[in-house]
This record gives sequence, C-alpha cells and structure tokens, in this order.
Amino acid sequence: EAQVTQNPRYLITVTGKKLTVTCSQNMNHEYMSWYRQDPGLGLRQIYYSMNVEVTDKGDVPEGYKVSRKEKRNFPLILESPSPNQTSLYFCASSIRRVGEKLFFGSGTQLSVL
Amino acid sequence: AQKVTQAQTEISVVEKEDVTLDCVYETRDTTYYLFWYKQPPSGELVFLIRRNSFDEQNEISGRYSWNFQKSTSSFNFTITASQVVDSAVYFCALSERVRRSGGSNYKLTFGKGTLLTVNP
Repeated sequence: EAQVTQNPRYLITVTGKKLTVTCSQNMNHEYMSWYRQDPGLGLRQIYYSMNVEVTDKGDVPEGYKVSRKEKRNFPLILESPSPNQTSLYFCASSIRRVGEKLFFGSGTQLSVL
Repeated sequence: AQKVTQAQTEISVVEKEDVTLDCVYETRDTTYYLFWYKQPPSGELVFLIRRNSFDEQNEISGRYSWNFQKSTSSFNFTITASQVVDSAVYFCALSERVRRSGGSNYKLTFGKGTLLTVNP
C-alpha cells in the first residue's frame, strides 16, 4: 500500500531535549516536505527536499534541521526544542512535478513543555 | 500578502443545507494548480480535488462541486445537502513553481482553513 509513515504519532518532551520525527515513503517519490499546523495559521512549510542530498528551507525553518540521505526517508530534527515548537507536524511526498498532489503522513502531535 | 485566502474561519450549518467555502488565491504564474484538502476530526489530510490553471470547467463529484474562476482568482467549494460527516477543516491550496538559486521549489501553499460544522 502506497503510504507516508510518520513516527511517533504523539510526543511529549521537555525544552532542550533533542528529538527526531521520522518520515518514510514507499512510492519512490523524489519530493518530500515537512509542514507544521497551528490553529488559525493553516499548514506552513518547514523544509523540503527535491531529491537525495538536496534540501532547502521553507517558510518557517528556524529551530529545525532535516536530512535526506536516502530517497525514502526524510527525518525532521529538533536539536533544542522550545515550547513554541509545540504543533502538529505533517510529512508529505510527491512526484517531483509542480501540480502533483501531496501524499501526507498521519501527523505527529508534538508538545514541548 | 497571503497567497491563499480563506476568509471564512468557521461555518456552522444544519444538516441538508448547502454550504460554500470560499478560496481566493494570488499568483503571478500562468501555470499553477489549485487543491482542496479535507481534515476530519481524526486529523489526517484527505485530498479532494486538483485543478490546473488552464481548465476553468466546473467540476461535480457527488454532493461536492467546485467553481474555478480565473477572472476573480477564486476556487470555491460547495457541498450540497450537507451531512454531519462533512464536519471537518477544509484547506484550499495553491501549487506553483517557486524559482530559487540552484533550482526550483514545487511549493504547495495552504490557506488557513475553514472549520465546517454540520449539526444534525
């Protein structure tokens, strides 16, 4: 089954404790992206990757890192989480073409205390 | 300025009413795509429709219909005879090529969403 898998589904952590949210897709998609969703703000792009070893900042990259060492995986890293990073995070992938729909993961609800 | 504006933050209707969700977008590209996604209370994002900028034909899928008007930069979504299961947050989104040094970003920009509540 074609899917984007994010883990964990829920995460509670404390300020400053490094964490990684994993994302994996099985569709051989070149394009992957991370979004965060906050009430009243919709979904905002954090980082995206056009292909292996090619990543770039989205609209709200501060406080996040990503890596794309393999085509299928695109982890989101919070080196020193802060409470303002409490949010619902979505990973997404698509064929590398404008206009192709994004396939989304189920989301990760992160709370930073 | 917002690229995708969903002016209605929340809408509440009674079951069987028709409801229209508004979406206004902004782009300089001649080639772009518009999407609607649904986010039910369970939280996942469900793709509803994609429209390219060259196809202004309205589309109907069951109780759902979409009205794309380039002249007003709008892509509105109507649910006919709404049902409780239609209760969700609905996002309109714009996909366009964003040129950056070293290549292009195929970017999907979302509106802030409209929370639709359908009451029995």
